[in-house]
Amino acid sequence: NAGVTQTPKFQVLKTGQSMTLQCAQDMNHEYMSWYRQDPGMGLRLIHYSVGAGITDQGEVPNGYNVSRSTTEDFPLRLLSAAPSQTSVYFCASSYSGPQGGNGYTFGSGTRLTVV
Amino acid sequence: GNSVTQMEGPVTLSEEAFLTINCTYTATGYPSLFWYVQYPGEGLQLLLKATKADDKGSNKGFEATYRKETTSFHLEKGSVQVSDSAVYFCALRTSGSRLTFGEGTQLTVNP
Repeated sequence: NAGVTQTPKFQVLKTGQSMTLQCAQDMNHEYMSWYRQDPGMGLRLIHYSVGAGITDQGEVPNGYNVSRSTTEDFPLRLLSAAPSQTSVYFCASSYSGPQGGNGYTFGSGTRLTVV
Repeated sequence: GNSVTQMEGPVTLSEEAFLTINCTYTATGYPSLFWYVQYPGEGLQLLLKATKADDKGSNKGFEATYRKETTSFHLEKGSVQVSDSAVYFCALRTSGSRLTFGEGTQLTVNP
């Protein structure tokens, strides 16, 4: 099925470990983004990309790296995990449009716990 | 810059009650407006959208009208069901920009 696929669905890390959250879409979307969702804080943008080879920071980029070597994939790397990074992470993608009329398609999320 | 303000939750209703969740926005340019729904343990799903003033988006009994004069996009449903219990996010997007979300409103519908 077409859509946004995130792996893993659940992950427990120890403080200081690194890991990569995977995100792949098969809709040929230009835009891809990573959000984190914390209780009572809505969605906060971590990093985003407007196309292969182009990335930029969102609201809360510290402690995370991204790259966009292909249109399909947009992995999120945690460099040295901290308990403050315990959250639910969502990847989203969309077409660009002249009026931004295309909403995002979201993945089902990765629930990360850092102990 | 762009911003979205949603009514504070949580909202608790009885089944078959009328629902309104308020959403107002500020934006540069002419935004497209969206409502997303997040069911427990799941990702966000697009519920409805409107891309220009006076457009009405509708889906699954939910409606919202793009009101440019009041910069609003309030979500309504005439008769809610227990299965509508979820978190609802209002969002906007202008050309070439990122999606900007409101804080979300938790809706609980009791039988």
